[in-house]
Parts: sequence; structure tokens; C-alpha cells
Amino acid sequence: SQTIHQWPATLVQPVGSPLSLECTVEGTSNPNLYWYRQAAGRGLQLLFYSVGIGQISSEVPQNLSASRPQDRQFILSSKKLLLSDSGFYLCAWSPPWSLGSPLHFGNGTRLTVT
Amino acid sequence: DAKTTQPPSMDCAEGRAANLPCNHSTISGNEYVYWYRQIHSQGPQYIIHGLKNNETNEMASLIITEDRKSSTLILPHATLRDTAVYYCIVRLPNSNSGYALNFGKGTSLLVTP
Repeated sequence: SQTIHQWPATLVQPVGSPLSLECTVEGTSNPNLYWYRQAAGRGLQLLFYSVGIGQISSEVPQNLSASRPQDRQFILSSKKLLLSDSGFYLCAWSPPWSLGSPLHFGNGTRLTVT
Repeated sequence: DAKTTQPPSMDCAEGRAANLPCNHSTISGNEYVYWYRQIHSQGPQYIIHGLKNNETNEMASLIITEDRKSSTLILPHATLRDTAVYYCIVRLPNSNSGYALNFGKGTSLLVTP
């Protein structure tokens, strides 16, 4: 069966520090991968998605970037964190080119920028 | 993708059926209806999805009206662990965003003893 791993679970970082969140998927090949962010009391906002290695699409301009160095690895990064980057970051995957298949989410990383 | 409208909150007594409505009056013929839920501080959990026909799985039932302009998620015997925010999402299966979902604010369901 497929599993998705996301770490760390919680993170406290000072303003201006770099960020690297990692997500890996097991049990499937060539998945579509996604990064979402959820601010306190709000819905989920799609940040990035990837349909293959090295292919990254950004949904909103921001202080963050994403990379996909391997088929089942998705990384969210920032060179210098802002206070507004605080939030709950979720990685998700879906099967490639599969009609109507749902997304499957990891357990998230709660980031607090101080 | 079509927009959805859900009530912001609902209550349900434990052991009773929870019926969560969703309006998607602008849905197009090829758009699927998805339901997810999010328990506090966890990632969203997929519940069920459908296109035209009613669907049932071990978690819930999805009732889609004949004109597909609305749907209802039914939790047949709600438990305290079903307390969560429930999201109704409508999406084309072959969108350019790699099948990403646009989550709204959902319905906060509180199951009471």
C-alpha cells in the first residue's frame, strides 16, 4: 500500500532563517505531488504541484520554492523565512493520470516563525 | 472548477446520522464531487467521491441529486471521533493543476454525547 511521510511534525524557526520541509511517498511510481498551506482558521491553499521529476508549478507568488529531486520526493524550501510563512504545511500525492482519483495527505508540519 | 457552498457549522448527536449538505449549482458534466474531512491538527482525510451515481463506502454515503447541483454526505452513525471540518470539493478530473483540489472553508461538524 502507498504511504506518505512528512517531517518534521513541528518546527520553530526565527525570521530570516532558511527552511527545508521534506515529503516522500512510498508504494507508487510517478505520483503527482502537492504542497498546501493552511493558515490558522482558514482553508487549504495550494502552493506547488509537480507531475514529474524537476517539474514544478507554482500557484501563488511567495517566499517559498519547491523541488522534486527524485520521483517520490518533494521538498519545500525558503532562503529567508518571514513571519507570514507561519502555518500548517501539508504534502499530498495522487496517482498519475488516473481519472478522478483523490488526493492523499500527510500529517503535516506546523511551522512557527518567530 | 465549480464553487461549492457549505454551512459553516452543524451539530449532530452521537449515534445519529449526520447529513452534511453541499451546493454546487455551477457544476459541469465532467466534474467530480469529493468529500474530505480534517480533524484538528491533522492532514485532510479522503472520505468519498462520485460523479453522477450515489456512492457508499465503509466511512460514508454520498447522495448526488439528479441535476447534480447539490450533494449530501451521510455519516450513518456519527461518533465523537467524527467531529471535524468537512470539505466538499468539485473538480475536473483532468485539470491543468495535476488534479489539485481547491479547498474552501468547509463545515465544522460537532458530534455531541
